Amino acid sequence: QSALTQPASVSGSPGQSITISCTGTSSDIGGYNFVSWYQQHPGKAPKLLIYEVSNRPSGVPDRFSGSTSGNTASLTISGLQAEDEADYYCSSYSSSTTLVFGGGTKLTVL
Amino acid sequence: QITLKESGPTLVKPTQTLTLTCTFSGFSLNTRGVGVGWIRQPPGKALEWLALIYWDDDKRYSPSLKSRLTITKDTSKNQVVLTMTNMDPVDTATYYCAHRVGLGTFDYWGQGTLVTVSS
Repeated sequence: QSALTQPASVSGSPGQSITISCTGTSSDIGGYNFVSWYQQHPGKAPKLLIYEVSNRPSGVPDRFSGSTSGNTASLTISGLQAEDEADYYCSSYSSSTTLVFGGGTKLTVL
Repeated sequence: QITLKESGPTLVKPTQTLTLTCTFSGFSLNTRGVGVGWIRQPPGKALEWLALIYWDDDKRYSPSLKSRLTITKDTSKNQVVLTMTNMDPVDTATYYCAHRVGLGTFDYWGQGTLVTVSS
């Protein structure tokens, strides 16, 4: 079982916005601004989308945004595109285990 | 640019020890703040963090696997080695190494290597 809880799947139509949640505890998400989000296409390595809650690495479109509220982090993708169909994982620094990942969310673009 | 590549056996038998090597370029593990981590992903399942080693040789392990893992670095060869003892079929997974910055980010990943545990 994963330490951070994500919905197994979300879906949306092209052009729409979706949000993926990631729930932890005060020992990880709620206690530190070190939440990251990764995108993984089938057969590929994960790609960093968001770091330190809301920062985007160079080259990541501003359609991707991150935030936190309490013990929950969120990834929002606006203006959904077909190429956004992938698995998404959150991760957080943890005072108890150093690092934890979420269970992953499969995004389907309808 | 930063690149990482994992290497090691594709098949190991149960109870054997797995040794994986991450060979990297584009950064130095002598640089303050830099780390290299290992993450695995069983087929069809989620990512699982395994271990981290930092520039100052600080080492961190997943609590659930700590007794089976050892991570070391060879800065002269730009390599990080992970060993996992007593392999079991449930350890079948793609194993990734990744460049870590700060406390929570893997910004560059290797392509991964699939390790199957079977007799």
